[in-house]
Amino acid sequence: ETGVTQTPRHLVMGMTNKKSLKCEQHLGHNAMYWYKQSAKKPLELMFVYSLEERVENNSVPSRFSPECPNSSHLFLHLHTLQPEDSALYLCASSQGTDHFVQFFGPGTRLTVL
Amino acid sequence: RKEVEQDPGPFNVPEGATVAFNCTYSNSASQSFFWYRQDCRKEPKLLMSVYSSGNEDGRFTAQLNRASQYISLLIRDSKLSDSATYLCVVKEGYQKVTFGTGTKLQVIP
Repeated sequence: ETGVTQTPRHLVMGMTNKKSLKCEQHLGHNAMYWYKQSAKKPLELMFVYSLEERVENNSVPSRFSPECPNSSHLFLHLHTLQPEDSALYLCASSQGTDHFVQFFGPGTRLTVL
Repeated sequence: RKEVEQDPGPFNVPEGATVAFNCTYSNSASQSFFWYRQDCRKEPKLLMSVYSSGNEDGRFTAQLNRASQYISLLIRDSKLSDSATYLCVVKEGYQKVTFGTGTKLQVIP
């Protein structure tokens, strides 16, 4: 299943590092999402892009910076993260944001030391 | 009250049993409802949408009760492969999407 791919699958970084997560969707969708999944917590929607424009930013700290260069690619740039940012970061895509059927990527397991 | 609430379980049931999960939501303006399934260390995958009239897909039946603000998922004839965490998802308006914490199901041989 390669509808939505994410790289890297695992990432360990220090608090002073800068890294980027990449997501690519091959489904012809026009909306993409970043979610954070922490242990024992529900998925938290972080960012929504529709037609390459950010339409939602759920009070996410500025140390997370999304970028959507085109409808198939989504990045999450990370800098000066905290240990509590360690989580599974999931990318998803859908055809429009009104009809909510999302396809998720496998996620990036992030550990911040 | 949490926006979307699920019993975390785990629900341990024998193969062949029928099991039901409920999910309550707090916003009466919620418009769309879904069940997703997430296997251990995997991404969530859509199991089924939940329609006002209720809907069935094989061994799975989803129901919506707007008056009491809950949705349910019924699994009949449980299989070992049904073992997973079942996530309730509620969508309000244009963008707001809320996931429940999930209910863990373990089907035992």
